[in-house]
Amino acid sequence: EVQLVESGGGLVQPGRSMKLSCAASGFTFSNYGMAWVRQAPTKGLEWVATISYDGSSTYYRDSVKGRFTISRDNAKSTLYLQMNSLRSEDTATYYCTRDYAAWGQGASVTVSS
Amino acid sequence: DVVMTQTPVSLPVSLGGQASISCRSSQSLVHSNGNTYLHWYLQKPGQSPQLLIYRVSNRFSGVPDRFSGSGSGTDFTLKISRVEPEDLGDYYCLQSTHFPLTFGSGTKLEIK
Repeated sequence: EVQLVESGGGLVQPGRSMKLSCAASGFTFSNYGMAWVRQAPTKGLEWVATISYDGSSTYYRDSVKGRFTISRDNAKSTLYLQMNSLRSEDTATYYCTRDYAAWGQGASVTVSS
Repeated sequence: DVVMTQTPVSLPVSLGGQASISCRSSQSLVHSNGNTYLHWYLQKPGQSPQLLIYRVSNRFSGVPDRFSGSGSGTDFTLKISRVEPEDLGDYYCLQSTHFPLTFGSGTKLEIK
């Protein structure tokens, strides 16, 4: 069974950093592209970043480019999202997804002073 | 960026009835490889999104045949027949042909 489990969320002050992790199991992690999608409270879904199966290619939405970094450790079957210079508008539930088909339960990030 | 215009915003339906949701893109979603990367999701209250239909018309594993997708180019439709209580929630389309990926704004399926 495919499982994606996010961790690392919480409350953080504006301008600070936070790193999310997504532990994958039930499939060969190194064979799949992965992505982060977020959802602000009461809002719709918003794509954040994608990484290729081997980590050689990464893509970001403009509003996070230069602040967020998506990465992966295929030996640990884990996806990461390093978020720097956080803003209030980054407040959301962050979902890890495998190929936009399988989704984790989400990690809540609140950016507030 | 590709704009995904999803309608309606709210869709009251009777149990056992039929529902139809439209998604229109601001540019063609046909990839250079010939595939069209338009997908449909259902997000039930308090849950993560779940994939229903991938690449326009392919039902994902375990999705009942009451769900069907159609369309081409810039115009796509999700149909749900014989609506059941478990179908209620927010529906989203997603295009993954072009970066940045973009979602429709969502359709709330509710009981009439």
